[in-house]
Amino acid sequence: RKEVEQDPGPFNVPEGATVAFNCTYSNSASQSFFWYRQDCRKEPKLLMSVYSSGNEDGRFTAQLNRASQYISLLIRDSKLSDSATYLCVVMKGGRRALTFGSGTRLQVQP
Amino acid sequence: GAVVSQHPSRVICKSGTSVKIECRSLDFQATTMFWYRQFPKQSLMLMATSNEGSKATYEQGVEKDKFLINHASLTLSTLTVTSAHPEDSSFYICSAPGPLGNEQFFGPGTRLTVL
Repeated sequence: RKEVEQDPGPFNVPEGATVAFNCTYSNSASQSFFWYRQDCRKEPKLLMSVYSSGNEDGRFTAQLNRASQYISLLIRDSKLSDSATYLCVVMKGGRRALTFGSGTRLQVQP
Repeated sequence: GAVVSQHPSRVICKSGTSVKIECRSLDFQATTMFWYRQFPKQSLMLMATSNEGSKATYEQGVEKDKFLINHASLTLSTLTVTSAHPEDSSFYICSAPGPLGNEQFFGPGTRLTVL
């Protein structure tokens, strides 16, 4: 079983739609959680950290449920520029290496 | 924010040659850097942890004699792919933990193509 599991998609949505991505992680020792965005043939870029209390950054809302080891990302009012692969990422602490999910591809269509 | 550079951005080489990739933290010091590899349509996989002044820590299944890592200073780590073969063709990305918190800063990546 992969340490971080995501639905690979692709999610094809129209502009303005709301889309939700889910992720589960297997290692209960994981301490920090993130969503990264990766554009084709580029390095991943941090979208937001994820906390149990939930956090929001503009159109993006992330949520962590430690009990069920589940992470979510909600994107409201999708823009064409949101088209990318969204990576669920966990860090176990200690040496701070990251474990990446395989990513969920989002394609926002006009 | 903190910046990590990587050089070269793209390499095309013949099978059997060695390729060196540099990763630099430009405005902060990094005692630890991480090297990841990403094959097409797959996610990033951690290859090794580069430790300044000591040996690198390799993940299971990564050959330390093939992927040589040197972290000679607080701002530079190098990954050398020795005797590269076509199956080593991949996107290699380094990262360094930021000085302030949990954030990691990624280099722009090096795309290696071995013919």
